[in-house]
Amino acid sequence: DVKVTQSSRYLVKRTGEKVFLECVQDMDHENMFWYRQDPGLGLRLIYFSYDVKMKEKGDIPEGYSVSREKKERFSLILESASTNQTSMYLCASSQAGIGQPQHFGDGTRLSIL
Amino acid sequence: AQTVTQSQPEMSVQEAETVTLSCTYDTSESDYYLFWYKQPPSRQMILVIRQEAYKQQNATENRFSVNFQKAAKSFSLKISDSQLGDAAMYFCAYLRPGTASKLTFGTGTRLQVTL
Repeated sequence: DVKVTQSSRYLVKRTGEKVFLECVQDMDHENMFWYRQDPGLGLRLIYFSYDVKMKEKGDIPEGYSVSREKKERFSLILESASTNQTSMYLCASSQAGIGQPQHFGDGTRLSIL
Repeated sequence: AQTVTQSQPEMSVQEAETVTLSCTYDTSESDYYLFWYKQPPSRQMILVIRQEAYKQQNATENRFSVNFQKAAKSFSLKISDSQLGDAAMYFCAYLRPGTASKLTFGTGTRLQVTL
């Protein structure tokens, strides 16, 4: 089974802090994704990566950056956390190729105070 | 841009009964993929079922089946013999080939299963 592991289930940070969310997958997937999930809005794509050191903006990249130095690890960075970034963050991975499903981690519930 | 609409924020079904969750989408593409994902209270999103648009046959996975109406751009999920463990948020998602597996999600339907 594919395992996507997010480093924290719950995280509380303060406004203005630099926040790192880590995600590791163990199935050698090429693609990795970061979403945020908010009630009534579903999942919205922040950034994705289709290869090491490659990244592309999703639908809501403002206030976020990402890093993918190794194939199995994809980090989401909040450069200067703000209260409107309080949310559930989901990481996912998928194989390259047409129509491949994404596999998700457990999510990190991030609160910015 | 593609959009996915789930018009039922909440649904309820009795155990052992059948329930249908609706999903419509908007696209000008002829080739694409559709998915249903389940997110239980434990939060990990799990793939339920996958449909390829060029296949006319509706996908089925045990008690889960879809009614795919390509012309109507409709992709509903039917859950038969509902079980308590089916209680979850269900998300419909659209994938256009050639977009590095980027999914567009609907807003979700929360399914309650009652005794």
